[in-house]
Amino acid sequence: GAVVSQHPSRVICKSGTSVKIECRSLDFQATTMFWYRQFPKQSLMLMATSNEGSKATYEQGVEKDKFLINHASLTLSTLTVTSAHPEDSSFYICSAMGQANTGELFFGEGSRLTVL
Amino acid sequence: QKEVEQDPGPLSVPEGAIVSLNCTYSNSAFQYFMWYRQYSRKGPELLMYTYSSGNKEDGRFTAQVDKSSKYISLFIRDSQPSDSATYLCAMKTQGAQKLVFGQGTRLTINP
Repeated sequence: GAVVSQHPSRVICKSGTSVKIECRSLDFQATTMFWYRQFPKQSLMLMATSNEGSKATYEQGVEKDKFLINHASLTLSTLTVTSAHPEDSSFYICSAMGQANTGELFFGEGSRLTVL
Repeated sequence: QKEVEQDPGPLSVPEGAIVSLNCTYSNSAFQYFMWYRQYSRKGPELLMYTYSSGNKEDGRFTAQVDKSSKYISLFIRDSQPSDSATYLCAMKTQGAQKLVFGQGTRLTINP
């Protein structure tokens, strides 16, 4: 299957700092990328849908000023958690869909954020 | 009622057993059906992908879609301890971008 690379896999930061997570599709062009958050033993919670070259569409209840998403190219999307607080500690996962929009979604390895 | 229902388990079976995982859904417009496997602290991995109804087999895995009953299944034959993971079903309608996920079933295969 297609490869999606997510970096960093783990990050620990102090409260009040900003953290950027990168998501790259390595062997295909992803017109659409998705960012999810996952709490322990729970399913994926969609945060936002990101289309290349346009503003991200955020799900209800997700603060767009806190979770900045940029999808500047067909292979790269970034999620920046601004002014992070301990309650933002979570597992963040990106995924990418190919241009055919067949529904096949390929996930990154996830990034575990710990805010002290 | 959730659009996609999946029993979270946990489900524990002995090695070698046949495992049956299921999801039901309410939206008859769903056309694309997927199963993902997620190991602990990892991103989900696409396991099976089916368009519309029917069966699909890949090695020890078989995916079935019954649109008349709004029911999908994943069967794992000759289960191995390495199959221990959370299995998530997902589906979407034609033209939609977002997938709708089930809650995930935690599966443990005991040696």
